[in-house]
Amino acid sequence: DAGVIQSPRHEVTEMGQEVTLRCKPISGHNSLFWYRQTMMRGLELLIYFNNNVPIDDSGMPEDRFSAKMPNASFSTLKIQPSEPRDSAVYFCASSLREKLFFGSGTQLSVL
Amino acid sequence: DAKTTQPPSMDCAEGRAANLPCNHSTISGNEYVYWYRQIHSQGPQYIIHGLKNNETNEMASLIITEDRKSSTLILPHATLRDTAVYYCIVRGQVYKLSFGAGTTVTVRA
Repeated sequence: DAGVIQSPRHEVTEMGQEVTLRCKPISGHNSLFWYRQTMMRGLELLIYFNNNVPIDDSGMPEDRFSAKMPNASFSTLKIQPSEPRDSAVYFCASSLREKLFFGSGTQLSVL
Repeated sequence: DAKTTQPPSMDCAEGRAANLPCNHSTISGNEYVYWYRQIHSQGPQYIIHGLKNNETNEMASLIITEDRKSSTLILPHATLRDTAVYYCIVRGQVYKLSFGAGTTVTVRA
């Protein structure tokens, strides 16, 4: 298996622009997670999907952030409009049972 | 979920065992202890988990004290590639893994 695939690997954008991060979970996994990592706050859970349904989005910072999972093999995290404080590494992870498998992350820089 | 306390950093000599401590004194009966690690510029990687018994897999061993208030992750023969941040996590809700600051482990040749 190729593991959790995230794209793009790096994203540089200007403040105010829309940013879309993509994730392909491991086939057969029924849970998907989006995390954000910064030096100041560490790894934070943003949202959790189970069987494509958002279960807990309490970690989503504000309305500028939205996440979708239209099917079992694809999820997006969208930021609109982006702000410099959104600069971070965004990780997607998937799981079937107790182990989470993380992707390589998207390094987002908002100028 | 119970909170964990880990030393911020530790060094280890290549080829020697690395013993990483974790305190979780407020752990409750149904909470598991998980260990993940994060190598620089990569996503976190699952290592091992346990409830009350000691566990061993191809990567490491997990020793949990009888009262479950602390645990130790053992890397039996540390290599340079084991240099990473190691996270000890107590997990209650099935989906919720809360990562703290972890222990930065540096393996030296």
